[in-house]
Amino acid sequence: QVQLVESGGGVVQPGRSLRLSCVASGFTFSGYGMHWVRQAPGKGLEWVAIISYDGSNQYYADSVEGRFTISRDNSKSTLYLQINSLRAEDTAVYYCAKDPAYKKVGAPMPFDYWGQGTLVTVSS
Amino acid sequence: DIQMTQSPSTLSASIRDRVTITCRASQSISTWLAWYQQKPGKAPKLLIYDASSLESGVPSRFSGSGSGTEFTLTISSPQTDDFATYYCQQYKSYPWTFGQGTKVEIK
Repeated sequence: QVQLVESGGGVVQPGRSLRLSCVASGFTFSGYGMHWVRQAPGKGLEWVAIISYDGSNQYYADSVEGRFTISRDNSKSTLYLQINSLRAEDTAVYYCAKDPAYKKVGAPMPFDYWGQGTLVTVSS
Repeated sequence: DIQMTQSPSTLSASIRDRVTITCRASQSISTWLAWYQQKPGKAPKLLIYDASSLESGVPSRFSGSGSGTEFTLTISSPQTDDFATYYCQQYKSYPWTFGQGTKVEIK
């Protein structure tokens, strides 16, 4: 079955950096686009970034453009999110989520599987 | 960006009441809309996609309808397990955006 397991969260000081990971199993990771979605404590869901199945295309929310970098290593079935210049408003649970379309770029799709999330807390 | 607005924010219902949640988009999104269920401390779960298609394994008491800018999620006879928060999401164009959520509580 599909499994997505995030890691790398923790308590970080403002201005520092962090890299989140999401290890995938149960499907052909290299064939699917992947997303990061975050949820601040007690708040709603915010889409953060997407990377295409082959890593050739990435898109970001305006709120994170220039500070966040999404990447993937298909040989390790792992998705990453590099977060730089952390701010208090980046405090959230970060989920990785899978796109259901195989080897499609730009096709409108929801998220069919989600990981359990990793909590990032930005605090001095 | 496309804004998604859900109503109500909170809803109290009894077991076997019919529950209806509305989601409005700030511009037409055709039927590029999904509904998710989220329980406390858990990841969201896809229920409905393309506005009215039921995700595999989701009980048939859940249904979705609508197109353009107005959509509804209906739970025909909610069970105890259905009391959760529900989010709509548009995937017509970047950035994907979500409604603010509707918490369905037991009356």
